[in-house]
Parts: sequence; structure tokens; C-alpha cells
Amino acid sequence: DAGVTQSPTHLIKTRGQQVTLRCSPKSGHDTVSWYQQALGQGPQFIFQYYEEEERQRGNFPDRFSGHQFPNYSSELNVNALLLGDSALYLCASSFGGGWETQYFGPGTRLLVL
Amino acid sequence: KQEVTQIPAALSVPEGENLVLNCSFTDSAIYNLQWFRQDPGKGLTSLLLIQSSQREQTSGRLNASLDKSSGRSTLYIAASQPGDSATYLCAGGGANSKLTFGKGITLSVRP
Repeated sequence: DAGVTQSPTHLIKTRGQQVTLRCSPKSGHDTVSWYQQALGQGPQFIFQYYEEEERQRGNFPDRFSGHQFPNYSSELNVNALLLGDSALYLCASSFGGGWETQYFGPGTRLLVL
Repeated sequence: KQEVTQIPAALSVPEGENLVLNCSFTDSAIYNLQWFRQDPGKGLTSLLLIQSSQREQTSGRLNASLDKSSGRSTLYIAASQPGDSATYLCAGGGANSKLTFGKGITLSVRP
């Protein structure tokens, strides 16, 4: 079992650009949540996808959008990047809407210059 | 709005010591409480999940408890080892399974 995988591992972008991050959930999982972790902080909930729909959203602007595919993998898109978007982006997967243990991937480290 | 607090932010103990990490939350309508470990620059590793109907969970040298009425959870680590050095985060599970995290406690176990 490969567990939760994320790509790329690291990314450098400049202000104003757009970025797409990818997540493949753990085998058998159908729910994907995205979190942003700034340095020295706990992860902050961005949104969750279940049955290919955004089920809940945290306090993030519309520049942050996502998608879930029929195979349950997911993408996080961020438009018009700001310096403050620099963070570790974590994907978590679970089964049946997230009420059981959520398993996290290794994250994508995004640096915006 | 759920808020999760972990104090202190850092802790240093000698090897072999038993220790307790504390986590407090403001909204007692919590669905579950999960403890994670994070090594520097890495993702989160799930340690223990306690459902709201449970009082504690155990895995090896780890024991986590949940007291909804007081808004507290503790993670007990027995016979600490240098390999336990990491940041420990607790997270409260709310509606639609959204996790609200504390800032974490950075633990250093001295050989």
C-alpha cells in the first residue's frame, strides 16, 4: 500500500503565477482534504472533497480551488500567487467522509518569490 | 468556532522519562480527537484517534485520553526515547470531519 502520495515535493513560483498540486489517496479511501501549514503553525483546513464534490471549505479565498476525479485523486489549484501562500500543503485521505482516521501525505513545499 | 491550544510550545526531557502532552479545545461538540506526529519538513503521521464516545486509546507506549466536558485531551508517552523527538499535534474533528489543529508541541528527548 503506497499510502497518500503528493506531487510535486517542492515547487518555486513567482507572485501572480498559478500552481496545481496533486494528491492520490490511500487505497480504499474516497475522501480527500487539503490543508495549508505555514512555518511554525498547525495545518489550516482549506477544503474537503467527497464523491467528487467540495463538501466543506475553510477560510480561504476563491483563489484556492480544487477538484476530485472519479478515481478519488484530487488537485489543489492556487491562482494569483501571493508571498503569503508560501507554505507546506498537505493532503489527507480517509474513507466515507472523514470520520475515521485521516492519513496525511508528505506534503508539497511551495515557495513564492 | 473551534480553537485548539497546546501548551507549552516546546519540551525537553531526559531519555526514559514518562511524559504527558496537553491539548485543550473550546467546542465540546467534538466528533473525534486525533493526535499526530510530525518530523521536521515532513508530513503528519497519525498516532491515535479517539471518537467522541470513547475516553481513551492506546498504542504501544502511547496512551491518549479525551475529556469532552473539560475540553481536554492528553497524550501520555511512556519511557521516552530519543526517537520520540518530533512535533506532536492534536486536532479536533468537527462537522463534516474538518480537523482543527493546535500549533503543536516540539518534544526533544535527550540521550
